[in-house]
Amino acid sequence: NAGVMQNPRHLVRRRGQEARLRCSPMKGHSHVYWYRQLPEEGLKFMVYLQKENIIDESGMPKERFSAEFPKEGPSILRIQQVVRGDSAAYFCASSPLGTGSNSPLHFGNGTRLTVT
Amino acid sequence: AQTVTQSQPEMSVQEAETVTLSCTYDTSESDYYLFWYKQPPSRQMILVIRQEAYKQQNATENRFSVNFQKAAKSFSLKISDSQLGDAAMYFCAYRSALASGSRLTFGEGTQLTVNP
Repeated sequence: NAGVMQNPRHLVRRRGQEARLRCSPMKGHSHVYWYRQLPEEGLKFMVYLQKENIIDESGMPKERFSAEFPKEGPSILRIQQVVRGDSAAYFCASSPLGTGSNSPLHFGNGTRLTVT
Repeated sequence: AQTVTQSQPEMSVQEAETVTLSCTYDTSESDYYLFWYKQPPSRQMILVIRQEAYKQQNATENRFSVNFQKAAKSFSLKISDSQLGDAAMYFCAYRSALASGSRLTFGEGTQLTVNP
């Protein structure tokens, strides 16, 4: 059973470009979470999605950031018009449906975004 | 909102010795879950141990154990017989039990160095 798959592992973008980060949850998992980790800091919650639904986006910046988890395919975190402050590691995590909050989140290896 | 505090940015331990990492949290809820995650240089987030708040017994996983003090809102991690492979960033995390699939809130992390 493959774990949470994130790609790309590293992504370099120039200021003003768009960044697309992909996350395929573990098989059978329909809950996806995105976190951002700035250098030397902990992980900060961004958004929680289920298939075709955004459940909690309270951690998402109001502008330039969006996320989706379509019925088919991976979850996508999209950052438009990137700025240097967006440089960070972005982690995706998944959990299975209906198992309650004591289920640990299973994390991917993250995508390191560098904005030049 | 819940907050998680790790007051030790860095800790070091001699190989084979024991070390304790501190974590405190703030919540008004009575039912919740607590986790310790490990992040080695590979950046992968690895679950170390978890604790349900309704359980008085402290969780144990091999060389890892916790000291859960609910009244004090404290959740420390003890690593016994430290090994070189234990060197990593350790994150304490909180998750509400009020709603299935709720987010994890992380502390800022403690960087553990294991000296040979």
